[in-house]
Amino acid sequence: EAGVAQSPRYKIIEKRQSVAFWCNPISGHATLYWYQQILGQGPKLLIQFQNNGVVDDSQLPKDRFSAERLKGVDSTLKIQPAKLEDSAVYLCASSLARGTYNEQFFGPGTRLTVL
Amino acid sequence: KQEVTQIPAALSVPEGENLVLNCSFTDSAIYNLQWFRQDPGKGLTSLLLIQSSQREQTSGRLNASLDKSSGRSTLYIAASQPGDSATYLCAVRRKNSGGSNYKLTFGKGTLLTVNP
Repeated sequence: EAGVAQSPRYKIIEKRQSVAFWCNPISGHATLYWYQQILGQGPKLLIQFQNNGVVDDSQLPKDRFSAERLKGVDSTLKIQPAKLEDSAVYLCASSLARGTYNEQFFGPGTRLTVL
Repeated sequence: KQEVTQIPAALSVPEGENLVLNCSFTDSAIYNLQWFRQDPGKGLTSLLLIQSSQREQTSGRLNASLDKSSGRSTLYIAASQPGDSATYLCAVRRKNSGGSNYKLTFGKGTLLTVNP
């Protein structure tokens, strides 16, 4: 079974530039998550999708971050414009459903450096 | 607001030693607790998941315990090996404020180094 795929793996940009990350979840997984992990911290949930609808985006900085999941499969996370404090690893995860017993599977992450 | 704390932040041990990683959480109204492993430049790999009604789970050399009432969990690693070197993250799952969804809250992790 293929895992969660993410690209790019690394990205370096200057502040005020825009950047986009892509995630392809495990086939058949209805729920998709984007997490931000700052160095030395645990992952923090940015947004959660159930199919192509948003379930939780309470911690997404909506003035600069946006995400979509068209057709309920792949997802993109965009930052526009980027700030220095956005430097982090962005992790995508997926699960069969959103219940308590549905394990989340994580991708390798995209490491973003904002200069 | 749920807070998850992991102690120690970093741990270095010689190969073969048994060790314990600690996790504490402030809100005991959890559904389950999960231990993850994260290797440098990699995503998270789930190690053990303990339901709130359980006291412990075992997988190979790993044993995780849960004391929900006191808000604590431990991850015990027996006979540590250099390949165990990684960051270990604890996460608790509980309902969100709206009650319609379940949310994982992570600790900052413990960086484990096992020296040959």
